[in-house]
Amino acid sequence: KQEVTQIPAALSVPEGENLVLNCSFTDSAIYNLQWFRQDPGKGLTSLLLIQSSQREQTSGRLNASLDKSSGRSTLYIAASQPGDSATYLCAVASGSARQLTFGSGTQLTVLP
Amino acid sequence: DGGITQSPKYLFRKEGQNVTLSCEQNLNHDAMYWYRQDPGQGLRLIYYSQIVNDFQKGDIAEGYSVSREKKESFPLTVTSAQKNPTAFYLCASSIYNDFNQPQHFGDGTRLSIL
Repeated sequence: KQEVTQIPAALSVPEGENLVLNCSFTDSAIYNLQWFRQDPGKGLTSLLLIQSSQREQTSGRLNASLDKSSGRSTLYIAASQPGDSATYLCAVASGSARQLTFGSGTQLTVLP
Repeated sequence: DGGITQSPKYLFRKEGQNVTLSCEQNLNHDAMYWYRQDPGQGLRLIYYSQIVNDFQKGDIAEGYSVSREKKESFPLTVTSAQKNPTAFYLCASSIYNDFNQPQHFGDGTRLSIL
């Protein structure tokens, strides 16, 4: 059964810092890996999707990498801003139904 | 503007009562999903549907039921058999079998016990 782990569970950084969020998964037979952002009391917003054949994806200040063989992904946020404060969730699509399995998230606080 | 609408935003259930959460999408997506989120945890899949009139159980289907009579609608019923229903419920949709596209989410329904 696929399991997804995110480290750290919470992170607090001063504005302007570059930071890395980590995600690991147990079964490397995945279709894609997705990073989402969740604001308090809200749904999820898709940030980046990396297909299983890709190594990384970039969108603005965000860069996500995927190492399928080792079961790891990182989300790099450059020049963090207070508006980046949210919970970041990693999910992998796997199995016969291609369903998403989510990690528990990293709660990020960027201090002004 | 295309998107997913969940209603109500807040819902309260009395003991022994069934309640239904609404999810409507105008994205023309084939696949729809229901997830449950408990505090400090990730999302767990309750049910999903890849086409109209067909749906499959996810990891935690016990105590829940769904229907998919229309492409744009996927209501979730929380039955009295679900003994711990207090959670945040999220509905999502996607293009079926297109692994280049992410799932799109609604803003959720928070269910509490009276």
